[in-house]
Amino acid sequence: AQKITQTQPGMFVQEKEAVTLDCTYDTSDPSYGLFWYKQPSSGEMIFLIYQGSYDQQNATEGRYSLNFQKARKSANLVISASQLGDSAMYFCAMREGQAGTALIFGKGTTLSVSS
Amino acid sequence: KAGVTQTPRYLIKTRGQQVTLSCSPISGHRSVSWYQQTPGQGLQFLFEYFSETQRNKGNFPGRFSGRQFSNSRSEMNVSTLELGDSALYLCASSLGRWTGDSPLHFGNGTRLTVT
Repeated sequence: AQKITQTQPGMFVQEKEAVTLDCTYDTSDPSYGLFWYKQPSSGEMIFLIYQGSYDQQNATEGRYSLNFQKARKSANLVISASQLGDSAMYFCAMREGQAGTALIFGKGTTLSVSS
Repeated sequence: KAGVTQTPRYLIKTRGQQVTLSCSPISGHRSVSWYQQTPGQGLQFLFEYFSETQRNKGNFPGRFSGRQFSNSRSEMNVSTLELGDSALYLCASSLGRWTGDSPLHFGNGTRLTVT
């Protein structure tokens, strides 16, 4: 079974609108971390936001927020006020265990922002 | 502060050859990880080094190897190249036991094409 599932291969949004990118995860470890990365066409992976399994509040970083629903095992990324520069591939990833040293990535979602 | 630097950016090799990719982490980062990205398999963990020791290894054949030097710079080597090794190879570094305060920071990658 996949550990990280991103069900939306592609999403389309207009500038200034908000968009939610879905991510569900599967782990039996009580300690884990969830990350979102952005990959523009240049190839570099850019860290966006992190949520720890014991964090009580949803993480926020500027226009990015993570809708963490632990019981549902979902960690959706919300981008408010989309910009043209947000067009990229977005990956959800998980670190299992407190000492986990490998990220498990989802297949990614391509976000296209139009004017 | 300079980011993660990977060299070369592009490589074209022939089946059966070997290749060495280089990664210079962010100054002060002691953990270096390598990931392979292909359209079919997505992003897959190769290995992780910390203070010159391999801490974790992904499910790749022994043709894939790596090492880390005392200055935290890392190299990965692929011997007896196969067509399926064509991919974007991403290196990432972090301070150590990474969390949201110390996420993985990725380089721009080396795009390897095997013909």
